Amino acid sequence: DSGVTQTPKHLITATGQRVTLRCSPRSGDLSVYWYQQSLDQGLQFLIQYYNGEERAKGNILERFSAQQFPDLHSELNLSSLELGDSALYFCASSVAGTGGTGELFFGEGSRLTVL
Amino acid sequence: TQLLEQSPQFLSIQEGENLTVYCNSSSVFSSLQWYRQEPGEGPVLLVTVVTGGEVKKLKRLTFQFGDARKDSSLHITAAQTGDTGLYLCAGPAGGTSYGKLTFGQGTILTVHP
Repeated sequence: DSGVTQTPKHLITATGQRVTLRCSPRSGDLSVYWYQQSLDQGLQFLIQYYNGEERAKGNILERFSAQQFPDLHSELNLSSLELGDSALYFCASSVAGTGGTGELFFGEGSRLTVL
Repeated sequence: TQLLEQSPQFLSIQEGENLTVYCNSSSVFSSLQWYRQEPGEGPVLLVTVVTGGEVKKLKRLTFQFGDARKDSSLHITAAQTGDTGLYLCAGPAGGTSYGKLTFGQGTILTVHP
């Protein structure tokens, strides 16, 4: 158990819909990261928040957005869903987020299926 | 964009055999990490290598960072069924965030009893 909690674990929805994925980081971790894992693209970095502020951005689609709340939990919002958005979405957390190397702790992921 | 290429993509071996997984790039990385992911779970960090030529051992797993810091390898001695999983190498994707990682496509290892 990494200490990172993600909900829901599974989500099935239709094209054009909007979903919200939720992540609670490990106690004390200030950074939250969102990653997408698909068969063809592998694990891709989407976005990072540190203590409520956006810190780094990857190839995140404009239809996707995220935020980190004062209690440090984070939400990833996916809208106008397309079939190709079907993937595993992972949240990870770390104590800091910059400087040197550090360990990311990944949650168990949210599996999104778009029909 | 810094890319990491892993080989082989799939590895199916018998318990007790040795194996090596490779992670290569044309770019220099300040550090490389190896993760292991099991079905239904997120990746778990195994090791971070930061110095060119560095060798780290974790029980039966040996990790090496290339002298030029462009490649890394993971060697498993006497594989066990519990080693089955997806092995991923990852490196910083640029910028100051160490959590913004570029991942290799992964190596799916299956160890048969």
